[in-house]
Amino acid sequence: KNEVEQSPQNLTAQEGEFITINCSYSVGISALHWLQQHPGGGIVSLFMLSSGKKKHGRLIATINIQEKHSSLHITASHPRDSAVYICAVGRTNFGNEKLTFGTGTRLTIIP
Amino acid sequence: GAGVSQSPRYKVTKRGQDVTLRCDPISSHATLYWYQQALGQGPEFLTYFNYEAQPDKSGLPSDRFSAERPEGSISTLTIQRTEQRDSAMYRCASSLARAGVQFFGPGTRLTVL
Repeated sequence: KNEVEQSPQNLTAQEGEFITINCSYSVGISALHWLQQHPGGGIVSLFMLSSGKKKHGRLIATINIQEKHSSLHITASHPRDSAVYICAVGRTNFGNEKLTFGTGTRLTIIP
Repeated sequence: GAGVSQSPRYKVTKRGQDVTLRCDPISSHATLYWYQQALGQGPEFLTYFNYEAQPDKSGLPSDRFSAERPEGSISTLTIQRTEQRDSAMYRCASSLARAGVQFFGPGTRLTVL
């Protein structure tokens, strides 16, 4: 069992739909990151959080430390949101510098 | 610089050859990370630097892999005696401080024939 698991692996939705991507982890963490990998391959950091909720534009990230679970939400989804979304955790015993990554969720938004 | 840059963007080499990959982080960033990403997989941690110090190289797959950051800015990742299983995307990232938000470079796609 991977230490960081994401679901779903693939998600296809219509433009405008509300999107939820889930991340569960089985280790103690100091912080959780959400990253976006563009179709061209570039990776962009979306959020780093250790508690509660963060919002940036149409993106919202939440984390529940007790349940070891985080969600990434996209409101009013748009085709340009199509990308692979990756969850990564900094583990408390290894230092937040050493991130452990999930395998990603491939999101496709259809116009 | 404006962002993290890496060179070359693509490298094709023959098995047994040595390769050196370069990362130029954002100029104010103290911490630099190297990752290996196989096709269809998430990145995997290789090593990181805090300025020129290399506190953790536990992710380097073998002693054929080494990394340097001698002046605390540009870093190189060297793979000696390359093997086909080394074929992957090698990504560099930097952050302003340890454990901060990471900014990723475009990666170097290495193919070992």
